[in-house]
Amino acid sequence: DAGITQSPRYKITETGRQVTLMCHQTWSHSYMFWYRQDLGHGLRLIYYSAAADITDKGEVPDGYVVSRSKTENFPLTLESATRSQTSVYFCASSESPAGGYGYTFGSGTRLTVV
Amino acid sequence: DAKTTQPNSMESNEEEPVHLPCNHSTISGTDYIHWYRQLPSQGPEYVIHGLTSNVNNRMASLAIAEDRKSSTLILHRATLRDAAVYYCILNTGNQFYFGTGTSLTVIP
Repeated sequence: DAGITQSPRYKITETGRQVTLMCHQTWSHSYMFWYRQDLGHGLRLIYYSAAADITDKGEVPDGYVVSRSKTENFPLTLESATRSQTSVYFCASSESPAGGYGYTFGSGTRLTVV
Repeated sequence: DAKTTQPNSMESNEEEPVHLPCNHSTISGTDYIHWYRQLPSQGPEYVIHGLTSNVNNRMASLAIAEDRKSSTLILHRATLRDAAVYYCILNTGNQFYFGTGTSLTVIP
């Protein structure tokens, strides 16, 4: 089915472990984004990508790594998870935000670091 | 970064119109104004967007001030399913920066 899918939907991991959150879109949108959502902070941009092999930092990139070898995939890796990274993570894609195109969001991944 | 200011919360009676305000005094000439809403336990979903002129779609209307420093999202008849957090966003370049939004409560 066309759309943007995130996996897993829920994840519990231990402090210090590496964890990767997956994001896949089927529209061939150029832009992809990762946000985290915490109570009282709304959504904050972690990283974004304008095209395959092009990534850039957002507001809160520390502790996260991204890659984009294929247009349709944009995984987010926490190299050594910390409790402060407990959050809900949303992936989004867009054809051209500056051109007035909107974002389409995935359903989110709820990550708990214990 | 372009910022927006919205009230933290608003209430509306069911089947009445709702006007959700947003201030964006630092808007630049090419910034689009986007509105998204987020239902509980879901990702944000697109509502409407505009540049200079007022916009209407099946979900809502967007009224943009002449100087573009503020806008208002209008839900013509609020339903219980419209209870959500509404975000007013300016796209600064290719990035969307979300604030904390307005939490809309619809009273039956």
